[in-house]
Amino acid sequence: QITLKESGPTLVKPTQTLTLTCTFSEFSLSTSGVGVGWIRQPPEKALEWLALIYWNDDKRYRPSLKSRLTITKDTSKNQVVLTMTNMDPVDTATYYCAHTGGYYKVDYWGPGTLVTVSS
Amino acid sequence: QSALTQPPSASGSPGQSVTISCTGTSSDVGGYNFVSWYQQHPGKAPKLMIYEVSKRPSGVPDRFSGSKSGNTASLTVSGLQAEDEADYYCSSYAGTNILGVFGTGTKVTVL
Repeated sequence: QITLKESGPTLVKPTQTLTLTCTFSEFSLSTSGVGVGWIRQPPEKALEWLALIYWNDDKRYRPSLKSRLTITKDTSKNQVVLTMTNMDPVDTATYYCAHTGGYYKVDYWGPGTLVTVSS
Repeated sequence: QSALTQPPSASGSPGQSVTISCTGTSSDVGGYNFVSWYQQHPGKAPKLMIYEVSKRPSGVPDRFSGSKSGNTASLTVSGLQAEDEADYYCSSYAGTNILGVFGTGTKVTVL
């Protein structure tokens, strides 16, 4: 059974950098076609893709946030890390880690972690 | 890369059917047969209900069905049950070099 779980701070101050880690099991990010990404959902708002990294280290970023985002993977640790710089209160959201086998079909989700940006 | 358009709300009585639309463009919904639908209960992670326009993952009841015409995809829930009350989001592939796009979300209420 594939599982993913997000970890990181629940509270960050404006201008700080957020680092979130997704730790997963029962699949390998070295398998062709597999991707792991990050999706966020501000309170009472819609889902939005932030970034995705593929098995071959190819990466995709949300254009409006590209300058602030970095996604990396550590295949040996079964982890994907997302960093987001210059955090702002509008970045307050639940951040989900997601597994896709292609074409942005998310077949497995982490439980999500609520990150609040406040001084 | 704009969000796909969904109606904010939809409702039906138990046993009835409800259909949710998801309108995009020829660059996403209309250009590919890679539309997915997700169900999200309050405080929970979304769950994949439909993929590739009309395919159901194992374990999803056949009361859930999907279709597409032009730039608009649709999700139909037949035989509504109380547990179907949730938010529903569509999503579409939008090309090789960009991220996928989600819909604006629809709250389904079972009356």
